[in-house]
Amino acid sequence: AQKITQTQPGMFVQEKEAVTLDCTYDTSDQSYGLFWYKQPSSGEMIFLIYQGSYDEQNATEGRYSLNFQKARKSANLVISASQLGDSAMYFCAMREIGGYQKVTFGIGTKLQVIP
Amino acid sequence: EAGVAQSPRYKIIEKRQSVAFWCNPISGHATLYWYQQILGQGPKLLIQFQNNGVVDDSQLPKDRFSAERLKGVDSTLKIQPAKLEDSAVYLCASSLLGGVFDEQYFGPGTRLTVT
Repeated sequence: AQKITQTQPGMFVQEKEAVTLDCTYDTSDQSYGLFWYKQPSSGEMIFLIYQGSYDEQNATEGRYSLNFQKARKSANLVISASQLGDSAMYFCAMREIGGYQKVTFGIGTKLQVIP
Repeated sequence: EAGVAQSPRYKIIEKRQSVAFWCNPISGHATLYWYQQILGQGPKLLIQFQNNGVVDDSQLPKDRFSAERLKGVDSTLKIQPAKLEDSAVYLCASSLLGGVFDEQYFGPGTRLTVT
């Protein structure tokens, strides 16, 4: 089974609207971390937000929030008040405590913000 | 604080040639990662160093790829000989300790084209 699944190859959102990017994960570890990264066309991976498996509250960082549903094994990224500069690839990733704590990435979702 | 540095940014070589990439992590970061990102996919971990020791190289094609991190600071990744399927962006990242809750910081990447 895929460790990280991102089922939306591409998404469109109107400027100033909110958008949710889906991510589900698969692990048998109790301790793990979930990350979201943004990759603009320039290619650099930019860290956005992190959620630990033991965190009871959803993580928030400015306009980014992570909707963490542990029982469903989902960690969706919510971007509020979208801006044109948010157009990029978005990757969900997981680091498990086992397996050398390797980070596994999903295949990404391409977000395009429409003016 | 200076970020992760990588060079070169772009490289074009012919198949069967050799190529080397260089990475300088953030000062004080013990863990260094090399990722391969093929177009349309998420990054795939090639090798992970903790200081100057290899933690995980299970996905490194060892018949042609090699990496070293002398003195536990900067690192080089080499491909010899290159194949067409090696065309990708090679991303270097570093993190403070490499733990489950440890954020990775990425460099700008090296885009390799093998013709």
